[in-house]
Amino acid sequence: SQKIEQNSEALNIQEGKTATLTCNYTNYSPAYLQWYRQDPGRGPVFLLLIRENEKEKRKERLKVTFDTTLKQSLFHITASQPADSATYLCALSNSGYALNFGKGTSLLVTP
Amino acid sequence: NAGVMQNPRHLVRRRGQEARLRCSPMKGHSHVYWYRQLPEEGLKFMVYLQKENIIDESGMPKERFSAEFPKEGPSILRIQQVVRGDSAAYFCASSPSGENEKLFFGSGTQLSVL
Repeated sequence: SQKIEQNSEALNIQEGKTATLTCNYTNYSPAYLQWYRQDPGRGPVFLLLIRENEKEKRKERLKVTFDTTLKQSLFHITASQPADSATYLCALSNSGYALNFGKGTSLLVTP
Repeated sequence: NAGVMQNPRHLVRRRGQEARLRCSPMKGHSHVYWYRQLPEEGLKFMVYLQKENIIDESGMPKERFSAEFPKEGPSILRIQQVVRGDSAAYFCASSPSGENEKLFFGSGTQLSVL
């Protein structure tokens, strides 16, 4: 069956450090993979999309890697800030219309 | 430029009643997706609609749930004869194309069934 796995344990890091979140998937052959941020009581907000032919993508303090051989994406936040505290969701799909989400990893950045 | 608007934000229903959730996509977007999020669970795809058409309803429960996106007006997710297990946050998302890239989500409707 298809699975999208993200660390279920919350990630606690100190302000200024780099946060690294992992997304592993099975039984998908995605053309692209997306990362979203979700704050409590709010809908997800799109952050980054990386395509299968891209190894790495950056946007300001965010960096995403995509390894289709390992079936894994890593999401990095450099120089993390307390405002980065949220749940981060990995999302991908096969050829259909449904975009499937992992359960997310909660990030807490402490001053 | 208003984002995706969902209402109501909170909806309380008793078992057996009907729930109607509304979603107005972003201006210029004609593709709407509905998702359900249960406590401690991830977002689960329910249905994808274009104007006047249901394109993919593979995530919709077979009974009691229906969705529409009329030519005029918001998209509606309708749950008939609600049960306690329907309690969840329901999110709507829209996109300008049907490629499910970069979905824009609303703030959701929290449905509570008493």
